[in-house]
Amino acid sequence: DQQVKQNSPSLSVQEGRISILNCDYTNSMFDYFLWYKKYPAEGPTFLISISSIKDKNEDGRFTVFLNKSAKHLSLHIVPSQPGDSAVYFCAASADDGSSNTGKLIFGQGTTLQVKP
Amino acid sequence: DAGVTQSPTHLIKTRGQHVTLRCSPISGHKSVSWYQQVLGQGPQFIFQYYEKEERGRGNFPDRFSARQFPNYSSELNVNALLLGDSALYLCASSLERQSTQPQHFGDGTRLSIL
Repeated sequence: DQQVKQNSPSLSVQEGRISILNCDYTNSMFDYFLWYKKYPAEGPTFLISISSIKDKNEDGRFTVFLNKSAKHLSLHIVPSQPGDSAVYFCAASADDGSSNTGKLIFGQGTTLQVKP
Repeated sequence: DAGVTQSPTHLIKTRGQHVTLRCSPISGHKSVSWYQQVLGQGPQFIFQYYEKEERGRGNFPDRFSARQFPNYSSELNVNALLLGDSALYLCASSLERQSTQPQHFGDGTRLSIL
């Protein structure tokens, strides 16, 4: 049962335009959401996170939006740059009082290509 | 500042062997988690260790075990290796163990089983 889903395996955008990556989740207990970027032969790099008490968090060119009622989050990158080309993973965690509090559940990833 | 470091970077084993993977967290980080990533999927949670104790376990068989040392470094052990254990094994560290702490990943160990 995939609790975190990224339904678009790939996305291609032009340099300077906005990239929007989407993520859906099913577990209403999730209270913290993160986006990671991964280049080949490297580990995932933490980009930005958002707590479930917020609906938006911004850091430079990256903004994450959370819609709790729809169980949907998105990552906006503007303007997109060729160096942003990578695989993007969304992840979620829940502080539900269990021993697995620190467990991150990842989506399958979306490959972003930014064309010059 | 050094990030999360993992060793070795690549490893080739045969079925039935065992393997030990090592991880050093970011300085000051007390929590270490292990993940398995197979091609085309996101990382899957294996273990979380905090203050040298197992604090969480994913849906992996008992062939997988881990431990954390007093300096917060960690080892992941896998016994009786199967072909399906071929994957990228990622270690992540965070300051504390709460769900609201971002986890920072190493570059992983690529394990290939022949």
